Amino acid sequence: AQSVTQPDIHITVSEGASLELRCNYSYGATPYLFWYVQSPGQGLQLLLKYFSGDTLVQGIKGFEAEFKRSQSSFNLRKPSVHWSDAAEYFCAVAQLNSGNTPLVFGKGTRLSVIA
Amino acid sequence: DAEITQSPRHKITETGRQVTLACHQTWNHNNMFWYRQDLGHGLRLIHYSYGVQDTNKGEVSDGYSVSRSNTEDLPLTLESAASSQTSVYFCASSDGQGPQETQYFGPGTRLLVL
Repeated sequence: AQSVTQPDIHITVSEGASLELRCNYSYGATPYLFWYVQSPGQGLQLLLKYFSGDTLVQGIKGFEAEFKRSQSSFNLRKPSVHWSDAAEYFCAVAQLNSGNTPLVFGKGTRLSVIA
Repeated sequence: DAEITQSPRHKITETGRQVTLACHQTWNHNNMFWYRQDLGHGLRLIHYSYGVQDTNKGEVSDGYSVSRSNTEDLPLTLESAASSQTSVYFCASSDGQGPQETQYFGPGTRLLVL
């Protein structure tokens, strides 16, 4: 079955440091990949998405992600983290002709930012 | 501005009661989704709809039902609430054809079943 794995449940980084959140997917065809962010007490907001073409995707708030087919990965990066980036981050994969799970989410990575 | 709203934002109910959670979007999106979010599970899809009169079961649909009588609303009903249905519920909507479209999420409803 198709799945998304976010290996890190919780990550803590210092403000100004670089960030990389990992995401691995299991899907036979070319996937549609997404990163969403959830601030405390709020719904999810799209950061970026990949369908095809350039494997390095730029998103909002200075985030980027790189699709690596050989590694089945879509890791999220930011060169310099701000305190306001503290949130939960979800990777998701869209499945065409998918039956009852059109969008599958990973379990999330909680990001804490320290001074 | 167009938006997606959920009501109530917080709800406490007792086991066995019927509960309906409302979701309303003003984007005129064809597609609407209901998820539940639980610690350690991320978001799991309950039901979804790709248009009026269309409804489909998601990964965790047992004990839940939806109906789509117009474009704007997709209410979620818990037929007989159980403690296992204590969760945070999110509604989302998207435009276009299929699951590759960006989903826009509501603020969530926190449900406690006692």
